[in-house]
Amino acid sequence: DTEVTQTPKHLVMGMTNKKSLKCEQHMGHRAMYWYKQKAKKPPELMFVYSYEKLSINESVPSRFSPECPNSSLLNLHLHALQPEDSALYLCASSQSLSRDTEAFFGQGTRLTVV
Amino acid sequence: AQKVTQAQTEISVVEKEDVTLDCVYETRDTTYYLFWYKQPPSGELVFLIRRNSFDEQNEISGRYSWNFQKSTSSFNFTITASQVVDSAVYFCALRTFFGNEKLTFGTGTRLTIIP
Repeated sequence: DTEVTQTPKHLVMGMTNKKSLKCEQHMGHRAMYWYKQKAKKPPELMFVYSYEKLSINESVPSRFSPECPNSSLLNLHLHALQPEDSALYLCASSQSLSRDTEAFFGQGTRLTVV
Repeated sequence: AQKVTQAQTEISVVEKEDVTLDCVYETRDTTYYLFWYKQPPSGELVFLIRRNSFDEQNEISGRYSWNFQKSTSSFNFTITASQVVDSAVYFCALRTFFGNEKLTFGTGTRLTIIP
């Protein structure tokens, strides 16, 4: 089972709203990632968690707040977003941060900020 | 610094034709890993293959094949007898042994298979 599940699939939120994106994997992977993908662009790394600890923050604005409650779950809390934050948000997981491991991606959450 | 170039932005072929997607990479590291991902309209990136820099053997998986040539820093992907379900955006990506955990993606090639 190589499945990463993301909810919701679509989200529309106002600039003053607070919402959360959720990601779950049951493959026993210890590394989890958030990527942001704008239309017709490749994914851009936002955050990396390894063994439930934040390993990388790619200088992401504080209106995006990641959380890893346990090894299977990864959340992305959203607050006071801007319309330019509208994008596809992809979660991924891999066995570890070892360079020779592949990441498995979820279907993403299509976020629209109005 | 590392870089992945996918010069073909969009390709259209008629069903059952063969098609090759090009990927050229740049890195100063001698140990690195190359990946191909498929992104159908549903949005999910589907892992297709990982290739280590010290293994130049080409690989075939059903209708898919990959040609890795270190001499030209290329890792090209060929689909034989294309099908409509192959329509997607395909990304080539690079990760180096001494780099961080970041995958460097190419800009992607949008492949359309015409029935």
